Amino acid sequence: DTAVSQTPKYLVTQMGNDKSIKCEQNLGHDTMYWYKQDSKKFLKIMFSYNNKELIINETVPNRFSPKSPDKAHLNLHINSLELGDSAVYFCASSQLGDSYEQYFGPGTRLTVT
Amino acid sequence: SQQGEEDPQALSIQEGENATMNCSYKTSINNLQWYRQNSGRGLVHLILIRSNEREKHSGRLRVTLDTSKKSSSLLITASRAADTASYFCATGSRGSNYKLTFGKGTLLTVNP
Repeated sequence: DTAVSQTPKYLVTQMGNDKSIKCEQNLGHDTMYWYKQDSKKFLKIMFSYNNKELIINETVPNRFSPKSPDKAHLNLHINSLELGDSAVYFCASSQLGDSYEQYFGPGTRLTVT
Repeated sequence: SQQGEEDPQALSIQEGENATMNCSYKTSINNLQWYRQNSGRGLVHLILIRSNEREKHSGRLRVTLDTSKKSSSLLITASRAADTASYFCATGSRGSNYKLTFGKGTLLTVNP
């Protein structure tokens, strides 16, 4: 059983388009995250949700809008895609608290042309 | 802002040798975690060490933490080709807005 799943795995699109990435976790966790990993493998947190409430927003452009319909899902919608948005986007989940490991999805490789 | 800095950026060893990776960080932490990322895959949690712990073991992994020097090390003993991956340290912040801040990672290549 997949713990944290993301769709799609690959996404190729043109500048200016709007796209969404979906994430689901079946671990019963309260907290979910979106990370962006650039071409140099640097991983940076974008958002964190706890029980459908936004708790971290790391100065991400407002073209990026996360949505959490329930605590098992955290989707990422991106408007007006730019070349610089090309990256691998990872969803993760964890229990709420200071000392819990995070479980990562397989990633979505977004290429903007 | 980036917190952890791994050293070295890349490490190439022969199977059976030990691999040591280091991580330095800048601010106070609640815990430090190590993750592995195989090429084209998501990150997998390896081990978590709390700020009041100095050493932790898990199988062939040994992690140390020196909060006075703001540094940690990950030792993989008797390495295998399957250990080839990128290894990241991540620091956990205090407070209710729990957040992990990742370093840039060490690319470990274990040659058979």
